[in-house]
Amino acid sequence: DVKVTQSSRYLVKRTGEKVFLECVQDMDHENMFWYRQDPGLGLRLIYFSYDVKMKEKGDIPEGYSVSREKKERFSLILESASTNQTSMYLCASRPSWAGEAFFGQGTRLTVV
Amino acid sequence: KNEVEQSPQNLTAQEGEFITINCSYSVGISALHWLQQHPGGGIVSLFMLSSGKKKHGRLIATINIQEKHSSLHITASHPRDSAVYICPYPYGGSQGNLIFGKGTKLSVKP
Repeated sequence: DVKVTQSSRYLVKRTGEKVFLECVQDMDHENMFWYRQDPGLGLRLIYFSYDVKMKEKGDIPEGYSVSREKKERFSLILESASTNQTSMYLCASRPSWAGEAFFGQGTRLTVV
Repeated sequence: KNEVEQSPQNLTAQEGEFITINCSYSVGISALHWLQQHPGGGIVSLFMLSSGKKKHGRLIATINIQEKHSSLHITASHPRDSAVYICPYPYGGSQGNLIFGKGTKLSVKP
């Protein structure tokens, strides 16, 4: 059974904190993605990675960075959390540009 | 530019009804996903299909690549089917970024 696991389901952080959201997949997929989802909007791409140590900016990368040191793990980093980064964050992985995508359960982040 | 048009945006049904959600594409594709998201939850991949029809339980997905159209059907709908159903455009970038619309919000009343 394929799996994408996000480290936390719910997270509350203070403004200015450095926040790490972790995503692990067990399917040996090349491509991994971080999206955020806000009420009334579809998912928006923050960053994606197509190989270890490789990353590309998505549509809304400002205020975020990512790390992919190992193929199975893709981390999203909020360098200095702000209240406008309160959102649901979803990680996904895909074996290739045309393969089936699988999603994590989501991390609901609240920045206070 | 909208690569995918999904309809309806909102749908309310009575338990037991047959439900259809449609997606139409403005550019050619070779396969697509149907995804489900329950309120406050993560996203589940229901189907990925490139031709014909796939069935999983009470869910059936069909695709016509030539007509650039896909449908998701739910037979004998149940309140637990209440969720947002999404057919993202599958080729947003060279590495397979999915482009998401708002999906169809389905509410099944008992």
